[in-house]
Amino acid sequence: GQQLNQSPQSMFIQEGEDVSMNCTSSSIFNTWLWYKQDPGEGPVLLIALYKAGELTSNGRLTAQFGITRKDSFLNISASIPSDVGIYFCAGQLPYNTGNQFYFGTGTSLTVIP
Amino acid sequence: GAVVSQHPSWVICKSGTSVKIECRSLDFQATTMFWYRQFPKQSLMLMATSNEGSKATYEQGVEKDKFLINHASLTLSTLTVTSAHPEDSSFYICSASNFRDRAYEQYFGPGTRLTVT
Repeated sequence: GQQLNQSPQSMFIQEGEDVSMNCTSSSIFNTWLWYKQDPGEGPVLLIALYKAGELTSNGRLTAQFGITRKDSFLNISASIPSDVGIYFCAGQLPYNTGNQFYFGTGTSLTVIP
Repeated sequence: GAVVSQHPSWVICKSGTSVKIECRSLDFQATTMFWYRQFPKQSLMLMATSNEGSKATYEQGVEKDKFLINHASLTLSTLTVTSAHPEDSSFYICSASNFRDRAYEQYFGPGTRLTVT
């Protein structure tokens, strides 16, 4: 299966700082999703993107669907301790090529109070 | 809305036995369910895609005779790990997807931790 390249692998930031992470792929995706996963739990959907160039916000989170449809980024503004966790991007292949979702390698975020 | 449950949350079994994991979409009908496997501190690896009423599509390298998937209804999919061995110990996560407003949404279950002794 495919795996998306996600960077950075991990981040340690001070509370209040902004965070940026991105995801790239050699394949074109129809949908980009961003998830947060806490230890021992399933991922929770944060933001979904459906069109190339789309910029979507969810509170302090902002994500964009790259124009080439091969990349996406997620920004978190004014980080707080509860933002700690692992963030995954996921891309969905076009319907006629299988419709599966594939995940990025993850970004581990630590927020220092 | 969009709640997905998994049962059991945690299972310990002896080598050679089979284990069944259930995935249910509680408040929506899922056209497709996915099964993932996750090792500690690693990403989710797609194992198979399951459409209601049809055979599952397995990713390359995943043994379909070892990981049996049944998707009997729009709200239930099961994964059976047959003749489990210690190397099958992992965190198994399902997700349910529906097509709404011309787009797919995917929601995850809480995961099942399998330990094979």
